[in-house]
Amino acid sequence: EVQLSQSGGGLVQPGGSLKLSCAESGVNLRASGMSWVRQAPGKGLEWVSTTSPSGSITYYADSVKGRFTISRDNSKNSLYLQMSRLRAGDTAFYYCVKHATTETSPSDFWGRGTLVTVSS
Amino acid sequence: SYELTQSPSVSVAPGKTATITCGGNNIGSKSVHWYQQKPGQAPVVVIYYDSDRPSGIPERISGSNSGNTATLSISRVEAGDEADYYCQVWDRDTDHWIFGGGTKLTVL
Repeated sequence: EVQLSQSGGGLVQPGGSLKLSCAESGVNLRASGMSWVRQAPGKGLEWVSTTSPSGSITYYADSVKGRFTISRDNSKNSLYLQMSRLRAGDTAFYYCVKHATTETSPSDFWGRGTLVTVSS
Repeated sequence: SYELTQSPSVSVAPGKTATITCGGNNIGSKSVHWYQQKPGQAPVVVIYYDSDRPSGIPERISGSNSGNTATLSISRVEAGDEADYYCQVWDRDTDHWIFGGGTKLTVL
């Protein structure tokens, strides 16, 4: 069974940086595209970033492009999101998401989410 | 940029059919996926590629997609169906995943 374990959330000041991690223990992720999706408290889902199975292709939402970097280490079955120049508007639950196959296929498993709070 | 439009809320009595729509320009040419999110939980896919059901999703839940509207239908609605529902597409023009704003289904 797929289990996506997320870590790295917390409180950070505006302009600061934070790195989120997502590790999978049940299935080899290297055949699946992976994404980060966020949800501000009480709001809807917002796509953040996606990477191909190999990690060679990445996509970003306009709102985070140039500030966030998605990466993966398939030898560790892990996904990361490096966030920099954080703003109050980045405050949200961040979900690690596994795609069924390629990065343009639907998501089949979601992590439980980790809360990132950007505040002084 | 491509946009998906969902009604903020839908209310339905138990045992009736709930219809949740997702509007987008020529959305019928795209593959639509639907996610259910219950309070305090992560989303779960309930329909993918317009009308396919993952294993474990009841046959009461179905999807269709044509023209400018994709539809998620839930027949014989139960209290446990109360949740937020989101539609999603991959926009090839921008290489972006797009989510609808979500529809809150209330079971009366």
